Amino acid sequence: DGGITQSPKYLFRKEGQNVTLSCEQNLNHDAMYWYRQDPGQGLRLIYYSQIVNDFQKGDIAEGYSVSREKKESFPLTVTSAQKNPTAFYLCASDLGSGRVNTGELFFGEGSRLTVL
Amino acid sequence: DQQVKQNSPSLSVQEGRISILNCDYTNSMFDYFLWYKKYPAEGPTFLISISSIKDKNEDGRFTVFLNKSAKHLSLHIVPSQPGDSAVYFCAARYNNDMRFGAGTRLTVKP
Repeated sequence: DGGITQSPKYLFRKEGQNVTLSCEQNLNHDAMYWYRQDPGQGLRLIYYSQIVNDFQKGDIAEGYSVSREKKESFPLTVTSAQKNPTAFYLCASDLGSGRVNTGELFFGEGSRLTVL
Repeated sequence: DQQVKQNSPSLSVQEGRISILNCDYTNSMFDYFLWYKKYPAEGPTFLISISSIKDKNEDGRFTVFLNKSAKHLSLHIVPSQPGDSAVYFCAARYNNDMRFGAGTRLTVKP
């Protein structure tokens, strides 16, 4: 079945450690996105990528890094520079600019990161 | 800056009645508006969308209304069912820029 797979679903990290969240899609989508959700807030964009080997910062990119070496994969690294990393992280994908029909983003199941 | 606002954090309705969820936006460049449904610890699932050139889109029990002059959209669910209980996010999009509201928690009581 086509979809977006995020792993791990739950992750615990000690302060000062980097952690990488995985996101893989087999929808043949060009664009991929990382969002963060905090209680009582909407989803906020961290990074997005329209094409392999290219990505742009979203609204809250500080303390995060990404790579897009393959079309199917868009891993997110939460670095020790992120001051408040405990959150629910969501990866999404779509066809990309110029090919949007309904504007829909397809989301993964999410990864909950807790810093101890 | 909060370009998409959902001013009601929660809504409770009786099964069989209509649920109306509201959303306001500020950026007139948005050209697609979407509603997502989300359960705890899961990713949002797409529910319904509307292009800025339309004022209504209907899909079964779900209807989205867009009032561009007021920069307001609403989602109507009728009749409401207990399985509709979830958090509903309004979103507005222009190219790669998709903005989400804070969500409204809908509870449908049997």
